[in-house]
Amino acid sequence: NAGVTQTPKFQVLKTGQSMTLQCAQDMNHNSMYWYRQDPGMGLRLIYYSASEGTTDKGEVPNGYNVSRLNKREFSLRLESAAPSQTSVYFCASRVSGGAGEFFGPGTRLTVL
Amino acid sequence: ELKVEQNPLFLSMQEGKNYTIYCNYSTTSDRLYWYRQDPGKSLESLFVLLSNGAVKQEGRLMASLDTKARLSTLHITAAVHDLSATYFCAVDAITGTYKYIFGTGTRLKVLA
Repeated sequence: NAGVTQTPKFQVLKTGQSMTLQCAQDMNHNSMYWYRQDPGMGLRLIYYSASEGTTDKGEVPNGYNVSRLNKREFSLRLESAAPSQTSVYFCASRVSGGAGEFFGPGTRLTVL
Repeated sequence: ELKVEQNPLFLSMQEGKNYTIYCNYSTTSDRLYWYRQDPGKSLESLFVLLSNGAVKQEGRLMASLDTKARLSTLHITAAVHDLSATYFCAVDAITGTYKYIFGTGTRLKVLA
């Protein structure tokens, strides 16, 4: 099992450009998450999907959109990137409430 | 406002010493999670505590949960250099929503 995979690993964007971060899990987990982690800080939840077909906002959803494409895949889109979105983005999944999350390796995004 | 606070934020300790990291939270959640993050890496699940009084141990780390005090502790026994990392606690924002809130993290450095 690959666990949780994310692409790309690194990305540099110019202000105003758009891009989609991809996430996939092969553990048959119901819930999937997108977080951002800024230097020296904890993780902040951007969006999550409790189950296939549902998505909900987290703490910091502004400037982002998500799509739960199927049970395996959960993508995060930046429509018009801003320097404030420079961060490391982590995707995670878990089987259900009461279970720990499995994290992907992260995407390091820089917006110039 | 939901808060998850950890202290200390930074901890430098000698090998062989004991220490405790504290995690206070403001929700009524009865579930708490501990994660470890090595520099430049993703997060790894350490412990899942699912009820009041739960205690879990793995090697030199022991985690406990007191839901009445809204407090979890991560105790380090006879620290070794390999334990150097950042440790995060997280709670369910609202039971059943599958939505996590992370603490700010405790950066631990164990000196040889």
